[in-house]
Amino acid sequence: DTGVSQDPRHKITKRGQNVTFRCDPISEHNRLYWYRQTLGQGPEFLTYFQNEAQLEKSRLLSDRFSAERPKGSFSTLEIQRTEQGDSAMYLCASSLGVGGETQYFGPGTRLLVL
Amino acid sequence: AQTVTQSQPEMSVQEAETVTLSCTYDTSESDYYLFWYKQPPSRQMILVIRQEAYKQQNATENRFSVNFQKAAKSFSLKISDSQLGDAAMYFCAYRSGSGGSNYKLTFGKGTLLTVNP
Repeated sequence: DTGVSQDPRHKITKRGQNVTFRCDPISEHNRLYWYRQTLGQGPEFLTYFQNEAQLEKSRLLSDRFSAERPKGSFSTLEIQRTEQGDSAMYLCASSLGVGGETQYFGPGTRLLVL
Repeated sequence: AQTVTQSQPEMSVQEAETVTLSCTYDTSESDYYLFWYKQPPSRQMILVIRQEAYKQQNATENRFSVNFQKAAKSFSLKISDSQLGDAAMYFCAYRSGSGGSNYKLTFGKGTLLTVNP
């Protein structure tokens, strides 16, 4: 069990640029989640995958955001035409889909849009 | 929609003392799960303790215990014998037990715990 990993850990970009983040879940976990955390707030749900299927998207996930999980393994979160309001910590979590399973979080990717 | 409220933005405790962090939630569901997560300054969230709503017994994990009051929709975390390493942001979180297609966590805004030597 190597834990959930995310890459990059930090990203600075200029407004209008596209960025892509990667999340590698714990290997046997079939469920994967993306959350966004702004300063002084708790994480907010963005989207959820079960295997390769994206089953839920929050209203926070505008058309500029897209997430994929090809083959039910790693996941990517892309933000197109970034805005300053996108600056946040993006957290990935994974879980093994049995009952009220625990979600295990990665270290997050901190995005700063200038 | 479910909401989670943590009314204490900051708390402090002396090393070796006991501190209680408060959490209330609002839901119409009868089946759900509650969690306390810890987020140290390095920012990686770590599970502290979890409680299944159908269990009447309060969960405990070493120095950490909860006081789960289902009727009052209250879920407080007690940390005994506080240690310097307990200093972190603590988040209370709710997850529906009804399953379906969404197992998302709903978080409170957090309580920043400071441990004084």
